[in-house]
Amino acid sequence: EPEVTQTPSHQVTQMGQEVILRCVPISNHLYFYWYRQILGQKVEFLVSFYNNEISEKSEIFDDQFSVERPDGSNFTLKIRSTKLEDSAMYFCASSGGRRGTEAFFGQGTRLTVV
Amino acid sequence: AQRVTQPEKLLSVFKGAPVELKCNYSYSGSPELFWYVQYSRQRLQLLLRHISRESIKGFTADLNKGETSFHLKKPFAQEEDSAMYYCALSTHLGTYKYIFGTGTRLKVLA
Repeated sequence: EPEVTQTPSHQVTQMGQEVILRCVPISNHLYFYWYRQILGQKVEFLVSFYNNEISEKSEIFDDQFSVERPDGSNFTLKIRSTKLEDSAMYFCASSGGRRGTEAFFGQGTRLTVV
Repeated sequence: AQRVTQPEKLLSVFKGAPVELKCNYSYSGSPELFWYVQYSRQRLQLLLRHISRESIKGFTADLNKGETSFHLKKPFAQEEDSAMYYCALSTHLGTYKYIFGTGTRLKVLA
């Protein structure tokens, strides 16, 4: 069964540094997403990406965040200057985007900002 | 406002007992509701979606539009059902994004 894969599984970075989280969505999917889960809190939507552009973003997704699909297979989330409060589990997901179809999630990247 | 509420953070039941994980939603349109499960150290996996009215691993969930609920039920809990369960709403307004509840940890005791 196809899977969404994310790398790395755990990233530790210093405050103020840039990080790039990588995802390989399922190949025939059209919609790509990033969600995050701060420890002990719920999974929150960050951004959706369709047809090579952002289709929706949440209030959390400020100018420090950006997404790219550089080569038709990878889907990346960049945080330009990390803050302590960016520490969270980041999940990538993809879906076919039709009614009744579900999103498939990656295993997550745990980002720790120190 | 679009919201999903799971009132119980933790639910402990004995093996063989019935289970009901509650989920209520707030959405003015026609939502799609899903239940996702996360076993220890694994990814979020789809358990059920309301549109297909299926039963997976003995779990069922019925969408009640009058009560805006989508409770997850299983008549006889098994130890392997112990996991984190998330109710999610998809608005299907262009992006198909999910709004998640806070999750309920189910512990099935031997």
